[in-house]
Amino acid sequence: NAGVMQNPRHLVRRRGQEARLRCSPMKGHSHVYWYRQLPEEGLKFMVYLQKENIIDESGMPKERFSAEFPKEGPSILRIQQVVRGDSAAYFCASSPGDRYYEQYFGPGTRLTVT
Amino acid sequence: GNSVTQMEGPVTLSEEAFLTINCTYTATGYPSLFWYVQYPGEGLQLLLKATKADDKGSNKGFEATYRKETTSFHLEKGSVQVSDSAVYFCALSGSARQLTFGSGTQLTVLP
Repeated sequence: NAGVMQNPRHLVRRRGQEARLRCSPMKGHSHVYWYRQLPEEGLKFMVYLQKENIIDESGMPKERFSAEFPKEGPSILRIQQVVRGDSAAYFCASSPGDRYYEQYFGPGTRLTVT
Repeated sequence: GNSVTQMEGPVTLSEEAFLTINCTYTATGYPSLFWYVQYPGEGLQLLLKATKADDKGSNKGFEATYRKETTSFHLEKGSVQVSDSAVYFCALSGSARQLTFGSGTQLTVLP
């Protein structure tokens, strides 16, 4: 039973480029959450999605960041025109629809902006 | 809004010592409470949970009891091992369906 999968594990981008982070939830899970972990800090909620719907994006920066969870395929977190402050670990979690309080995390994508 | 405050680290213990990591929370309603563990270079793993007052979550020798009267969920283990070295995060989940995390406590266990 595969867990939450994220790729790439490490991503290096120059300032101004775009970063695309992918997340495949656990089998049978229809809810996906994205969190960001800045160095030496805890995780901060960014966005919560169900298939084809953004349910809560209250933690997402207003500009340059977007997320989607299409009917087919993984969830994508997209960061346009990256800046050094975007360097962080980005974690995806998934939960079954009826147990939203049980979130299972992927290994994360470590984004470095040079 | 919701918030979680946990004991600042780092914490360094000798093998077989007793561990306590304090966690208190602020939330509206009746949140569920969690402890997650993060090993170096890995994602978070759910360690234990409690969904209502007076529940005790336990796993791998770790325990935490949901205390509504003190709004606390302290993590304890009677005898730590070197393999327990990791960062521990206290978290809560309220009606918003997002997890709110504490800042994490780094634990190092020496042989």
